[in-house]
Amino acid sequence: AQSVTQPDIHITVSEGASLELRCNYSYGATPYLFWYVQSPGQGLQLLLKYFSGDTLVQGIKGFEAEFKRSQSSFNLRKPSVHWSDAAEYFCGTGTASKLTFGTGTRLQVML
Amino acid sequence: KAGVTQTPRYLIKTRGQQVTLSCSPISGHRSVSWYQQTPGQGLQFLFEYFSETQRNKGNFPGRFSGRQFSNSRSEMNVSTLELGDSALYLCASSRDDTDTQYFGPGTRLTVL
Repeated sequence: AQSVTQPDIHITVSEGASLELRCNYSYGATPYLFWYVQSPGQGLQLLLKYFSGDTLVQGIKGFEAEFKRSQSSFNLRKPSVHWSDAAEYFCGTGTASKLTFGTGTRLQVML
Repeated sequence: KAGVTQTPRYLIKTRGQQVTLSCSPISGHRSVSWYQQTPGQGLQFLFEYFSETQRNKGNFPGRFSGRQFSNSRSEMNVSTLELGDSALYLCASSRDDTDTQYFGPGTRLTVL
């Protein structure tokens, strides 16, 4: 079965620092991979997705992710974090009609 | 274009009662999926409807059911509520299997 693992439950970074959130997937064929963000009390907003093609994917809010088949990873990166990026981030896989999510990584930003 | 809307936003029920949650997808979207989010279990897929037919189902008991109407609006029902059903219930819509899922703000259900 398709699954994703987010090893980091909680990450704290200083504003302006770079960020990398880890996501590992388990799937035989090329998976559909997503990153969503959830602010407190809100639903999920799609940051970016990977279906095929270029393995470096650009998303909204300055985020990017790189699909690495050799490492079974789809890590999310941002070169300079803003205080408004504090939220919970979910990596997901599956088809558009049925997503399987990781356990999430809570990002705290220090001013 | 209006986003996914869910009503009500907050709901308080007691054990044994039943509850119905509503979701209106983005115009033109025919697929509606439901998810349950709890601190302990995270985000879990409940079921998905496409053109009024349930296409996918997660691993939840039969107390959880849903339906979709001809206008793509969807409802989910939970009968005989248990304390463990307290959660944020998220609805998401998409045009089809290859499209992105867009999520609503969720309905916060509290079971006392």
